[in-house]
Order: sequence, then structure tokens, then C-alpha cells
Amino acid sequence: EAGVVQSPRYKIIEKKQPVAFWCNPISGHNTLYWYLQNLGQGPELLIRYENEEAVDDSQLPKDRFSAERLKGVDSTLKIQPAELGDSAVYLCASSLDGTGGSEQYFGPGTRLTVT
Amino acid sequence: QKEVEQDPGPLSVPEGAIVSLNCTYSNSAFQYFMWYRQYSRKGPELLMYTYSSGNKEDGRFTAQVDKSSKYISLFIRDSQPSDSATYLCAMSVAAGNKLTFGGGTRVLVKP
Repeated sequence: EAGVVQSPRYKIIEKKQPVAFWCNPISGHNTLYWYLQNLGQGPELLIRYENEEAVDDSQLPKDRFSAERLKGVDSTLKIQPAELGDSAVYLCASSLDGTGGSEQYFGPGTRLTVT
Repeated sequence: QKEVEQDPGPLSVPEGAIVSLNCTYSNSAFQYFMWYRQYSRKGPELLMYTYSSGNKEDGRFTAQVDKSSKYISLFIRDSQPSDSATYLCAMSVAAGNKLTFGGGTRVLVKP
């Protein structure tokens, strides 16, 4: 079974430029998460989707970050404009559902460098 | 103070030794507890998932949860060089909710 797929794996951009990350969850997983991981720290949740609905976006900086999950499968996370402090690894995770099958499985992440 | 505290290490052990890792937490609402392994430039890989207090064993891995002390542990028996990685504890207040992670402990198993 294929795991969580993310692209690109690496991205280098200049500050003030836009950037987008894509995630394809494990087939059949209804819940999708975007986490941010800074160097030497644990991941922190940005947004959680249950199917198409964003059910927890309290940690998403909405002035520059946006996300969507059309049709309840793939998801895109966008930053516009990027700032130097956005350099980090952006991780996508998925789980079967929000109750009984709640183990979260992570993708390899997108490593963003803002110069 | 962070909700989940974890010693960053590094923890260096000889091959074959038992690796002992732990996390403390402050939020008594946490009910689900996980351990992830993360290799350099890879995503976290789920190792153990527990709900209640007590022990859970899976192969060389044993997870312990003590809710009364707000303390969780992971033991790795017969450690191998391939176990060298960063180990992250994580917990949530409800199934499927956001995970709150510790900062991770870097483990080095020397041949």
C-alpha cells in the first residue's frame, strides 16, 4: 500500500514569492493533516481536514497561509508571500478517520528554504 | 513551559543495549499516546500507539504510560545501529485530534 505522497520534496524560493505544496493521502483515509516542523523540534499542527471540511485551522497563519482539499482527497498548502521565518519542513499526514482508526501516518515532507 | 517535555539527547548506547526514552506532559486531558521514529530528512514513522495506562509490547519495543504521573516511556531492547534516529513522543486529547509532540530525542547506537 502506498504511503502519503508529498511534492515537491525540496523547494528554494526568495522571500515574498509564493509557494505551494501538494499532498496525496493514503487511499481511503478521510482525515488529512498539515504539520510544520522546525529544525530540532517536533511537528506542530497547521490544519486538519475531515473530508473536505477544515475542522481545525486555529494554528494556520491566515494572513499568508491557505489550504484546500477539494473532493476530499488531495490537498494543497500555499504560502503567499513567503517570509524568511517560513523555512521549515512541511509534513502531511493522514488517518483513516477521526475516531476508531486515528493513527496518523506521515509523508516524507517538503523542505522549504526561503532566501 | 511546553505541554510535552522530552530530553533532546543525544543518547549514545552500544549495540545490544536497552534504549530508554521518556516524556513528561502537563495536560491531564491527553488520552492517546504515540511514539514515532524519524530518520534524517524523512517523515516521522509510527512505532507505537497506546490509549490506556500500562504496558504495550511490539517486538523489541515496549511502551509504558503512567497517566497518574503524566509520564510515558519507550524501551528498545537489543538495540541495533539501524535504530539510530530521533524518537518523538506525541499525544492527543481525542482520537484523530491534533498531535502534540515532544521535541524529540536523538539516539545513537554504536556498533
